[in-house]
This record gives sequence, structure tokens and C-alpha cells, in this order.
Amino acid sequence: GESVGLHLPTLSVQEGDNSIINCAYSNSASDYFIWYKQESGKGPQFIIDIRSNMDKRQGQRVTVLLNKTVKHLSLQIAATQPGDSAVYFCAEKSSGSARQLTFGSGTQLTVLP
Amino acid sequence: DTEVTQTPKHLVMGMTNKKSLKCEQHMGHRAMYWYKQKAKKPPELMFVYSYEKLSINESVPSRFSPECPNSSLLNLHLHALQPEDSALYLCASSWGQLNEKLFFGSGTQLSVL
Repeated sequence: GESVGLHLPTLSVQEGDNSIINCAYSNSASDYFIWYKQESGKGPQFIIDIRSNMDKRQGQRVTVLLNKTVKHLSLQIAATQPGDSAVYFCAEKSSGSARQLTFGSGTQLTVLP
Repeated sequence: DTEVTQTPKHLVMGMTNKKSLKCEQHMGHRAMYWYKQKAKKPPELMFVYSYEKLSINESVPSRFSPECPNSSLLNLHLHALQPEDSALYLCASSWGQLNEKLFFGSGTQLSVL
């Protein structure tokens, strides 16, 4: 079946640096992508989303880039802060009758002081 | 109110017990979801309710029984669980079943002894 995966299971960055979390997907019919942040003991929290008719979307300190040619999604976090330490999940949704989110395996981001 | 509230936050139960997990949202969302999440893994979809009717059951064992009393409430009744059912159970809601953006609760951490 189709899958959504992440290139790296863990990522450590220095406080103040920019972070880039990558995600690969295999379903060419995917038309919606979303990033969630999950802190320890909490549920996933929405960060940003993007549709397949766009290649970039910006939020507050975060940017999502979508490359449909190579089926790659990335989340960029500017000026990473200790509060950004969490597991980040990408998820995709493909057109079709089911249209439920499929989550990737997650990346643990650790911000070093 | 942009919250999905889950109770209890923690639950320990024996294999012969019957317990219920509760979820509540007051955002006017018409779709509600149950997810199961094992440690360091992405959430796995269990059930979807759309307009108070069960629309998706992801082949979940019958020892898990969902219930949607009204558009704001979602329950998950548990009976004769196994130790491997220990996990974080997440409730989520969205405007409609086809809506991609899910709002998650903080989850119930369940331990089955």
C-alpha cells in the first residue's frame, strides 16, 4: 500500500538555528499534506498544512515546502527554540472515497542549549 | 472553545474490567475519531463517526466498542482487553469526515495489566 515516511528518525539542532524536517510520500494521488507537533504526554498539535496546488506555505516561524516531482515534503522551523523539542509527524491525504489521513513515522526534534 | 477534552488522562485496568474513555468537543465539528498510538509510533486510526453515525471501523477487535451519544460526545467502551492494548488513545474531531485538519485531544494513557 501507499506510505508516508520520514528520512530521519531523530534530529538535534542548536537553539537559534533553523531546523529542517523531511518527509517522503509515495502516493502520487496525495493532494493534501499536514504537519503535526506532538510533545511528550500530549496529543498531536496542528502546525501547518498545504495542498498540492501549492509548493510553499508560510506560517509563524514555520514554512512547509512541497516538491511533487520527487514526492517530498519538508518543514522548516526558523530560530528553533527549546519549546520546539517534540516529535513531528507529517501526514497526507489522497483523493478518493476514503480520504483519511495517513501519518508518517515521525521525527524526534531535540533542541540543544 | 478550540479544545478536544478527553477523560480520564490515565487509566489502569485489568483484563476482566470494563471501562470507558470519554471525549468531548464544542467546536461544532461533525466528525469524530478514535486513534490508538503506541510509544514512538504514529497514531493509527480506529473509528470514524460522521454526523453521529459510525462510518469507518478499521477492523478493530470487538473488545473496543465506540459510541457517539450526540454530536459533541464520543465514547470508547473497553472490555476484556489484552496487555498489548496498552497505548495512548487519542480522540480527534474535524468539521466533516472529508475535512483534513484534525483537532486532537491530549489522550488517555491506558495500561492493561
